[in-house]
Formats: sequence, C-alpha cells, structure tokens
Amino acid sequence: TQLLEQSPQFLSIQEGENLTVYCNSSSVFSSLQWYRQEPGEGPVLLVTVVTGGEVKKLKRLTFQFGDARKDSSLHITAAQPGDTGLYLCAGLNTGTASKLTFGTGTRLQVTL
Amino acid sequence: GAVVSQHPSWVICKSGTSVKIECRSLDFQATTMFWYRQFPKQSLMLMATSNEGSKATYEQGVEKDKFLINHASLTLSTLTVTSAHPEDSSFYICSASGSAGFSSDEQYFGPGTRLTVT
Repeated sequence: TQLLEQSPQFLSIQEGENLTVYCNSSSVFSSLQWYRQEPGEGPVLLVTVVTGGEVKKLKRLTFQFGDARKDSSLHITAAQPGDTGLYLCAGLNTGTASKLTFGTGTRLQVTL
Repeated sequence: GAVVSQHPSWVICKSGTSVKIECRSLDFQATTMFWYRQFPKQSLMLMATSNEGSKATYEQGVEKDKFLINHASLTLSTLTVTSAHPEDSSFYICSASGSAGFSSDEQYFGPGTRLTVT
C-alpha cells in the first residue's frame, strides 16, 4: 500500500508569514498533485508536477517534486487569510488506472 | 470546462434506509469515475473505481454489497448506501476522468455530498 505522509498536520500562522508543507512517501509516483479543499467542498487542483526535481510556481505558491519522485513540498510566501484550507498532496501512477493516493492532509489557518 | 456535479449536496436519512448519491460530468464524457469518502478532519479515502458499462472495482475493506455503484452512462455514476448506519455518516466525493480533449490522468472533483445517518 502506498502511503503519503504530510507534515505538519496542522499549521496556524499570521498573515504575512511564510510556510512549507511536506509530502513524503517511500514509493515512487509518476506524478504528484497538490489540492486545496475548503470545508464542505470538493478539492481543487492547484498543480501537477511530473519530472523529478521540477519546480512550479503559482503566484505565492512554490511546488517542488523531489529528484526521486517520492516526495514534494509546497511553500507559501506571505500567507493570506484566503490561503486557509486543507492542503492535500496526491500521488498518481499511470499503471494503476489513474488512481490517486491522497496524503494525510495539512490544515492551514491564516489569521489577521 | 470539466465540471462535475453531485446531488444531493447534503442528505439526512434514518438508520436502516438506503440513500442514492448522483455524480454527473456536465461537459465531458467520463470514462472513469471515482468515489471517495472523507471523515471529519481527515483526508480522502478512495472507495471504488468505476468504468462506464462495467462493474466497479472496490478498494480493500469497502463492502461492495453495502456501497452499490452504477456507472450506466458516460456522464452519470451513482453511489447507493444501503441499510445506512450512523457510522456511514461522512462526506462523499466523486471525481471523473475522461477523454475527448481532457487529460485522461486528471480527475475532476465534484463538490461532495454530506450524508448524516440518524
């Protein structure tokens, strides 16, 4: 069974602070996705990283895929209250009917 | 594009009754649909994968006779929770992946259905 562990599980910070969320696995994935989910809604895709070592930026969010394609990180610069939500990484292996394995989740709260 | 809807958005039912949740791809043909369950403050857990016109594949530990999945068309899948019990109360989310211009690897998620069994 492939497992994706995220850390930290919960993070409460003030507006303007920086933070990093980690997603680690002992398994190799062909690609990895990051989602944000708000209460009572489905997850929304933020990014997909495919190549080992790849770095993608989405405004204040920077995503990195580990060289060995087993881990990933999400860095948020100057967090804003609108960044509050549950962040989920999810690994994909194309050999398994495109099944996603979701990480354990990181709940982020950004206060004024 | 790539919009997935779920109905109902929330439902309350009595213990022992059955409830059906619909998942629709509104603007694309979904060759594969996935059903997830999410308990409060937890991540999404895949329950089953269904391909149009064939039987669903259930994840280990998910009772196929309790959670009936039907994927009769390329735009509709249904999940029926039979003889529901309070421990079935959860947030059920579907996703769909397809073809015809959309990435077959990308899943498009519905808004979820909150089931409460009393």
